[in-house]
Amino acid sequence: SAVISQKPSRDICQRGTSLTIQCQVDSQVTMMFWYRQQPGQSLTLIATANQGSEATYESGFVIDKFPISRPNLTFSTLTVSNMSPEDSSIYLCSVDTAGGAGEQYFGPGTRLTVT
Amino acid sequence: TQLLEQSPQFLSIQEGENLTVYCNSSSVFSSLQWYRQEPGEGPVLLVTVVTGGEVKKLKRLTFQFGDARKDSSLHITAAQPGDTGLYLCAGGRSNDYKLSFGAGTTVTVRA
Repeated sequence: SAVISQKPSRDICQRGTSLTIQCQVDSQVTMMFWYRQQPGQSLTLIATANQGSEATYESGFVIDKFPISRPNLTFSTLTVSNMSPEDSSIYLCSVDTAGGAGEQYFGPGTRLTVT
Repeated sequence: TQLLEQSPQFLSIQEGENLTVYCNSSSVFSSLQWYRQEPGEGPVLLVTVVTGGEVKKLKRLTFQFGDARKDSSLHITAAQPGDTGLYLCAGGRSNDYKLSFGAGTTVTVRA
C-alpha cells in the first residue's frame, strides 16, 4: 500500500486562472495516475505520469490544458490551466505500487470550484 | 460506454439488512478490485480478486469473482451506517496498466 497526500484539499478559483495540484507519496512508485471525478460519480482517467517520461494523456485531455510534472518517484503535479466552470470537479492522484498489477491507492482528492 | 456495468446505481437500506452490488462486463479481466469512497475522501481499496470463482471475505463483506472473470459481486451482511459510501468496481487486464472503473453504486444505510 501507499500513503498519498494532496495539496490543496480544496480551492475556489476564478475563470481564466490556473491551479497546480500537488501529489506526494510516502514511497517510491513508478506509475502515478491523475483522475477527475464529479461528486458521486465514477472516475475518469486524465493521464498516466511515469518518472522520466512524458505523461500519457487519455482521449479528451491535452497537455496544454492539463500539464503534468513528475520530477521524481515520490511526487507529481497536475496543473489545470485557463480554467472554466466546466473544470469544477474533484481531482485525484493515485499510484500503482505493484508495477501495473491493477491495485491503485488514492490520495484524498482536491475539490476545485471555478467561478 | 462503461466497460464495467454496476447495479444498482443507488441503494438505500435500513441498518441490519443485507445488500448486494453487482459489477458486470462482456470483457475478461485478470483482476477485479472493489473500492469504497466516503464524501470528501479518495477511494479506498477493499479487496482484489484474481482467480475465477474466487470468494473473499472481509468481516461482513463477501466478494466474489465470476468463473469467467467477467463479473463480480459485493455482498454486505447486516449493514451498518458506517458502510455508507460510493462503491466502485475496477477491472485490470494483464496487458494494460490502467484500470477500467464502473459507474459506482451509492449505498446509504439508515440507522
